Amino acid sequence: DVVMTQSPLSLPVTLGQPASVSCRSSQSLVYSDGNTLLSWFQQRPGQSPRRLIYQVSNRDSGVPDRFSGSGSGTDFTLKISRVEAEDVGVYYCMQTTHWPFTFGPGTKVDIK
Amino acid sequence: EVQLVESGGGLVQPGGSLRLSCAASGFTLSSYWMSWVRQAPGKGLECVANIKQDGSVKYYVDSVKGRFTISRDNAKNSLYLQMNSLRAEDTAVYYCARADQYLVPDYWGQGTLVTVSS
Repeated sequence: DVVMTQSPLSLPVTLGQPASVSCRSSQSLVYSDGNTLLSWFQQRPGQSPRRLIYQVSNRDSGVPDRFSGSGSGTDFTLKISRVEAEDVGVYYCMQTTHWPFTFGPGTKVDIK
Repeated sequence: EVQLVESGGGLVQPGGSLRLSCAASGFTLSSYWMSWVRQAPGKGLECVANIKQDGSVKYYVDSVKGRFTISRDNAKNSLYLQMNSLRAEDTAVYYCARADQYLVPDYWGQGTLVTVSS
C-alpha cells in the first residue's frame, strides 16, 4: 500500500499568518494518463471532510484562494496564505493513483 | 445541491451484521463512482470500498474484503454497504461520498456511526 506521511502533525498558527503542510507518498502518484492524483481535504471540528484541492493544485469551487496546493511525484504541499479562524481543523492529503487509496494521518491546525 | 444522507448505523455485537444506506440527491447517481469512507473515533480516514457507475466494478480494502459488500440502486438513488462478521475494529463513522472521474471523493455525507461492541 502507498504510505502517506504528513508534517507537522500539529500546527499552531497566528491569525493572518501563513501556514504550510507537507505530504509525502511512498510511491510516485503520477497516474497512467500523466495526471497526479493527490488531493487535500479539510475536516472542521464535528464536520464531515470537505475537498479543497484535487490533482495537486486545482482548487474546488467555493474554496478561498488563500488555499493553494503544489508539488510533484512524491512530495506535496498545502499552503494557507493568511490563516483565518474558520481554517481551524484537520487537513488530510489523499492519493487515488494506487488502490487501496490512502490518506495521510492528518495535520491539526489551530490558533495560537 | 448535492446531498448525501447516510442511515443504518447503530450498536451491533461482534460477529453481527448491519446494512448502511446512502440516499443521494441533487445529481444523477448513475453518472458517478461512489465510495464508502470510514473514520474510527478520534482517528484518520480510510477508504473502504468503491463502486462503478453501473455496479460492474467494485474495490475493497483488504481489511473488509469478504465481509463487506458495496452495492447501488441507481433507480432508487441509493448506495449501500452490507457489513457482515463485524469486528470491534470496524467501529467508525461511515461516510458515503460521491467520487469524481479519478475516484476522489468530492461530496461527502454527514456520516453514520457504527459501534461494534458486546
